[in-house]
Amino acid sequence: ETGVTQTPRHLVMGMTNKKSLKCEQHLGHNAMYWYKQSAKKPLELMFVYNFKEQTENNSVPSRFSPECPNSSHLFLHLHTLQPEDSALYLCASSQGWRGGQETQYFGPGTRLLVL
Amino acid sequence: AQKVTQAQTEISVVEKEDVTLDCVYETRDTTYYLFWYKQPPSGELVFLIRRNSFDEQNEISGRYSWNFQKSTSSFNFTITASQVVDSAVYFCALSEEGDRQLTFGSGTQLTVLP
Repeated sequence: ETGVTQTPRHLVMGMTNKKSLKCEQHLGHNAMYWYKQSAKKPLELMFVYNFKEQTENNSVPSRFSPECPNSSHLFLHLHTLQPEDSALYLCASSQGWRGGQETQYFGPGTRLLVL
Repeated sequence: AQKVTQAQTEISVVEKEDVTLDCVYETRDTTYYLFWYKQPPSGELVFLIRRNSFDEQNEISGRYSWNFQKSTSSFNFTITASQVVDSAVYFCALSEEGDRQLTFGSGTQLTVLP
């Protein structure tokens, strides 16, 4: 099993739909992250979880709702999204939560298209 | 505020050529960490290297080498004898001590032609 997996890999949804992105890490890590990668923009950190506790929310709109039931799983619940939310959503994990010195390992991403 | 600049948006080389990807960073911290990631067309960000600010030793790993120079705030990445499989977007990133956030550069699209 690869280190960080994400499902689905591709998702098309309408603006009124509700969907969820799933991330699972098999590395025994304690911190997990959601990033958004839009075309022609740098990666943007959305949320950080450490031991299931949310420790960072970078002013993300409420139509994105994260959930971390345990240190191996991370979800991103989506509802009433806008076309500008179309992007690649990347999940990452790191061993600890000691800040900068932690190396983050990324999953393959979910490519989301909002119509 | 921290910032990472990758001035080269796109680079094309022919297989077996050497290529250097530039990365310039800005930070006020004395302790910080620099990273390089590779993103192939599949989308996954693959970790390549992490460097601490207090360790300026250059590093070589196979065909990859990294040149860290604090005097010029640069952390450049060289691929020797490039191969088609090296084609990807390469990101340089920075994080400061105690900061959970990785600040990424805008990436360099490397295309290696056969």
